[in-house]
Amino acid sequence: ETGVTQTPRHLVMGMTNKKSLKCEQHLGHNAMYWYKQSAKKPLELMFVYSLEERVENNSVPSRFSPECPNSSHLFLHLHTLQPEDSALYLCASSQEAGRSPLHFGNGTRLTVT
Amino acid sequence: EDQVTQSPEALRLQEGESSSLNCSYTVSGLRGLFWYRQDPGKGPEFLFTLYSAGEEKEKERLKATLTKKESFLHITAPKPEDSATYLCAGGTYSGGGADGLTFGKGTHLIIQP
Repeated sequence: ETGVTQTPRHLVMGMTNKKSLKCEQHLGHNAMYWYKQSAKKPLELMFVYSLEERVENNSVPSRFSPECPNSSHLFLHLHTLQPEDSALYLCASSQEAGRSPLHFGNGTRLTVT
Repeated sequence: EDQVTQSPEALRLQEGESSSLNCSYTVSGLRGLFWYRQDPGKGPEFLFTLYSAGEEKEKERLKATLTKKESFLHITAPKPEDSATYLCAGGTYSGGGADGLTFGKGTHLIIQP
């Protein structure tokens, strides 16, 4: 398998649930990212990991918790979400942050009820 | 604050009718200007990176150009399969670690047969 793979593709969860999104990259890249895409808004950077170390957190609420156990895998743990958190969550990887192009997965469509 | 603005928000063209999409940016320490294509239900797909003013890149019916303040994506004799949302992003590197990209809201392009 090649590229960036995200699972699940769709997720519906209640506000009191706990769930996790998974991302795997097969490109040998050094940086991985979580982005949030909402309707009529630009992609919002949530978290950046470089060589498995988190280097940026754009004031994301603590109900989102990232985990990067190795350079190929990235998780986003979700708990006590709000309906406004419903969005498309995109994982991406790149060779060199800020200069190399991002390669995106196809995202997880999250609906919070 | 870094900002990327795309215009128009939406564009409807007849097949074969050439046009241009605009991306203006105010990004300090810009290390690259990126263009992506996004189809419904999918993650953004990388098209071009431009690194310096005056640079141009071409791919089939698309040509991207860069000045010191803006970038254009020129579409020559488009076909219906060129219909998609086109995203522009500025890449930055502060020197303190890994950075992501600052995205515009995108231009939704529809090519009618």
